[in-house]
Amino acid sequence: DTAVSQTPKYLVTQMGNDKSIKCEQNLGHDTMYWYKQDSKKFLKIMFSYNNKELIINETVPNRFSPKSPDKAHLNLHINSLELGDSAVYFCASSLYSLQETQYFGPGTRLLVL
Amino acid sequence: RKEVEQDPGPFNVPEGATVAFNCTYSNSASQSFFWYRQDCRKEPKLLMSVYSSGNEDGRFTAQLNRASQYISLLIRDSKLSDSATYLCVVNQGHQAGTALIFGKGTTLSVSS
Repeated sequence: DTAVSQTPKYLVTQMGNDKSIKCEQNLGHDTMYWYKQDSKKFLKIMFSYNNKELIINETVPNRFSPKSPDKAHLNLHINSLELGDSAVYFCASSLYSLQETQYFGPGTRLLVL
Repeated sequence: RKEVEQDPGPFNVPEGATVAFNCTYSNSASQSFFWYRQDCRKEPKLLMSVYSSGNEDGRFTAQLNRASQYISLLIRDSKLSDSATYLCVVNQGHQAGTALIFGKGTTLSVSS
């Protein structure tokens, strides 16, 4: 059983396009996250939601818009994709907060051409 | 000064070796500390939390020095399967909305 799943696993697209990445967790966790891991392997938090409410919004361009329809899902929509958006995007979840273990999804490898 | 700093390595060691990784953090208000492991092209997974008194899990020992703002991970009797990138992770506070800061990772390669 997959605990945290993401789709798609790979995404290749042109600059200027709009794309979405979906994330679902079946762990019953309250908090979900989006991270970006760039080509230098640096992992940086982008957003966090707790029970569908945004609690962390790091300095991310407003072209990135997270949406949480329920506490088991946290999707990421990206408008007007740019070359610099190419990275691996990881979704994660934890039971209540940042204090606990985070469980990561397998990642979505985004390449913007 | 970077928020969480690690020696990127790579550390190349033979099987059976003991290897230690260090990590420093800049925010003295940091509350929680972790080591995560990330295999090539995989997601990070929790290796162990780090407690003030130090803690051990099999061949792995983690230590925290709050005064020096320093965290360490010791791996004894290295196995080939220990080859991975080890990420030092720091939580900057108890309040909801505080960020989890990841170091850039230390790469370990264990050879036979």
